[in-house]
Amino acid sequence: GENVEQHPSTLSVQEGDSAVIKCTYSDSASNYFPWYKQELGKRPQLIIDIRSNVGEKKDQRIAVTLNKTAKHFSLHITETQPEDSAVYFCAASIVGQNFVFGPGTRLSVLP
Amino acid sequence: GAVVSQHPSWVICKSGTSVKIECRSLDFQATTMFWYRQFPKQSLMLMATSNEGSKATYEQGVEKDKFLINHASLTLSTLTVTSAHPEDSSFYICSARDLRVATEAFFGQGTRLTVV
Repeated sequence: GENVEQHPSTLSVQEGDSAVIKCTYSDSASNYFPWYKQELGKRPQLIIDIRSNVGEKKDQRIAVTLNKTAKHFSLHITETQPEDSAVYFCAASIVGQNFVFGPGTRLSVLP
Repeated sequence: GAVVSQHPSWVICKSGTSVKIECRSLDFQATTMFWYRQFPKQSLMLMATSNEGSKATYEQGVEKDKFLINHASLTLSTLTVTSAHPEDSSFYICSARDLRVATEAFFGQGTRLTVV
């Protein structure tokens, strides 16, 4: 089955700097890769997703890149703000099937 | 985005009793609902997948007789933790998807279960 790894497990950045979180997956059949943000005690919220037919997707300060050959994808947050502090989960799935989540990255944006 | 409501958000129960958690999709039909368990500072671990009108598919290591899942309609799934023990204390989250039309999963707000 699918296995998703995520690095780093914790990340601290200064406000205004960029943050990058990387994930790798094992099942080459996976074709949908969402990223979720979870604030303490709250539900995960989708922040961006990408399908395997696209190499990059951007939404304001957030971007995701996908390298299908290497089976890895990354989340990029630019101009970080304190409200970006949360746990971020990547996931991989085949469209229409279950997600397999990475272990999560705790991002702290220091003012 | 679509709304998934999970109830209760917080429950304390005595050892040996059962607790039912509800997950409702409020503005869309959820063909599939997923139940996750999340330990502190850890990721979401899938417990089971339920398709409307079918028996749930449980992940390896999850006791189906202990965690009863029912998905009787396109808008409601329930998870019943039977004969709860302190080790069942955890954060349980459901997510719902309509696999006919979309790929995004919408999450409930979670239920923090404490068994004393």
